[in-house]
Amino acid sequence: DVKVTQSSRYLVKRTGEKVFLECVQDMDHENMFWYRQDPGLGLRLIYFSYDVKMKEKGDIPEGYSVSREKKERFSLILESASTNQTSMYLCASSLPGTDGYTFGSGTRLTVV
Amino acid sequence: KQEVTQIPAALSVPEGENLVLNCSFTDSAIYNLQWFRQDPGKGLTSLLLIQSSQREQTSGRLNASLDKSSGRSTLYIAASQPGDSATYLCAVRKLISGGYNKLIFGAGTRLAVHP
Repeated sequence: DVKVTQSSRYLVKRTGEKVFLECVQDMDHENMFWYRQDPGLGLRLIYFSYDVKMKEKGDIPEGYSVSREKKERFSLILESASTNQTSMYLCASSLPGTDGYTFGSGTRLTVV
Repeated sequence: KQEVTQIPAALSVPEGENLVLNCSFTDSAIYNLQWFRQDPGKGLTSLLLIQSSQREQTSGRLNASLDKSSGRSTLYIAASQPGDSATYLCAVRKLISGGYNKLIFGAGTRLAVHP
């Protein structure tokens, strides 16, 4: 069964810490995405990548960066975590074109 | 700008009922439409994917239709069960600037099926 795996289900970090959220897919997908999900705001796209070492800003990139050194891994980085980054973070991958998206199980991040 | 709207926002029904969840989108220039299920605190599970050239897709008790010209999709759930209780999200895949495409989500319909 193909999968998108997010390394942590729950994380608690302190304000100002540098936080890494990891996502790995085993489907050889070119495209990978990071979303955050908040009550009342729905899913919002943070960053995406269409190839190794390539990244594009989504709708809400401020306060985040990403890294894609290998095709299967896409990391989301919070350079200096703040309380307003407390959220559910969802990673997804897809093939180019008209394929569907496959999502991971999410990481619930709490910044205190 | 593409907007995706889901109606109703919440639904509570007794077990066994047939249900219709609605999704509308403002721009018909989409690649496809995907329905997802999300359980509380969990990730998204893909239910059905309808390409822009298709009219419907079926999987078990689920049937999704797409009318691209009118900007509408419906998810039909037959003989609902308590295990169907979850939030259902629809999303359209659309071309954006730079030649890329992305998934744009509705806010979801929260479904509760009680015994």
